[in-house]
Amino acid sequence: DARVTQTPRHKVTEMGQEVTMRCQPILGHNTVFWYRQTMMQGLELLAYFRNRAPLDDSGMPKDRFSAEMPDATLATLKIQPSEPRDSAVYFCASHDGLAGNEQFFGPGTRLTVL
Amino acid sequence: GESVGLHLPTLSVQEGDNSIINCAYSNSASDYFIWYKQESGKGPQFIIDIRSNMDKRQGQRVTVLLNKTVKHLSLQIAATQPGDSAVYFCAENGGNNRLAFGKGNQVVVIP
Repeated sequence: DARVTQTPRHKVTEMGQEVTMRCQPILGHNTVFWYRQTMMQGLELLAYFRNRAPLDDSGMPKDRFSAEMPDATLATLKIQPSEPRDSAVYFCASHDGLAGNEQFFGPGTRLTVL
Repeated sequence: GESVGLHLPTLSVQEGDNSIINCAYSNSASDYFIWYKQESGKGPQFIIDIRSNMDKRQGQRVTVLLNKTVKHLSLQIAATQPGDSAVYFCAENGGNNRLAFGKGNQVVVIP
């Protein structure tokens, strides 16, 4: 049963600390999306990659956020330094790159920054 | 759960009744629309999609209607069940398979 996995599922940290969230896309999917979900803003696209190359990260605060794909099986989203306003659920989704096919979402990482 | 917002529009429906969830989209050039379901503590899950050259598509107990004239999308759930309780999001394809999501609608099924 192919699925997207994310770790950790929950993270509580203090303001100023570095946070790294990881995502393993479905094997064979070449497109990975990072979303942030909050009550106020809903689901926002932060960044996405195709074939490990960043295509768009315009939704991401550049000063503290960074996203990478070290290899085809791992995507990371890093926040340094973290702030309380970063508290949200962060979802990763993967896609097979074919037009019109669905994105498969991971279970999310719930981040709380104190 | 992660997805529930205190200010989400909420539809309360009796078990067995039909549900209709509405969504307005913004980009008249969007060619592909999707409905996702998000249960508490989980990521969004694909329900059904529709391309802009169609105005109706049916799945298992669900029907999506697309009205491009007024940029309106709806999801109909037949014979709503307790397991249908969730937040439902519409999304439009902004190009390159990027999705823009609506704010979501909470559906509460009353047994």
